[in-house]
Amino acid sequence: KQEVTQIPAALSVPEGENLVLNCSFTDSAIYNLQWFRQDPGKGLTSLLLIQSSQREQTSGRLNASLDKSSGRSTLYIAASQPGDSATYLCAVSATGGFKTIFGAGTRLFVKA
Amino acid sequence: NAGVTQTPKFQVLKTGQSMTLQCAQDMNHNSMYWYRQDPGMGLRLIYYSASEGTTDKGEVPNGYNVSRLNKREFSLRLESAAPSQTSVYFCASSLDRGEQYFGPGTRLTVT
Repeated sequence: KQEVTQIPAALSVPEGENLVLNCSFTDSAIYNLQWFRQDPGKGLTSLLLIQSSQREQTSGRLNASLDKSSGRSTLYIAASQPGDSATYLCAVSATGGFKTIFGAGTRLFVKA
Repeated sequence: NAGVTQTPKFQVLKTGQSMTLQCAQDMNHNSMYWYRQDPGMGLRLIYYSASEGTTDKGEVPNGYNVSRLNKREFSLRLESAAPSQTSVYFCASSLDRGEQYFGPGTRLTVT
């Protein structure tokens, strides 16, 4: 059974710092991996989607990498800002592409 | 272009009552999903619909039924609500197996 783990559970950094969020999964037979952002009391906002055949995706200050063989993905945030404060969730879709398993998330606080 | 919309936003039920959560998307997506989010448990998939006319169980389907009414709409029904179903429910949609887009959620409390 696929399990998705996100470390650390919470992170506090000063503004301007570059940071890395980690996601690990136990079954490498995945269809894709998606990173989301969730603000308190809100829905999820998609940040990046990496297909199983890809190694990384970039959007602005965000870069996500995927290493299927080791069961790991990282989300790199460059030059963090207070507006980046949120919970970041990693989600892995099984080979069929529909059954999706989420990690518990990393709560990020960026101090001004 | 509203994206994914959910109604109601909040609901309080007594144990044993029934209700239907509504979800609609205007992105012409083929696939739709229902999740629940509980503190410390993350999001868990309840049911999904890969395409109009099909539905399949996810990780935690017990106590729920779904209907894919048409391409736009996917509803979740609780026939006899239990306190364990107190949660935040999210609907999502995707173009086939791609990027999932989420609605704002329904906060359900069962007393």
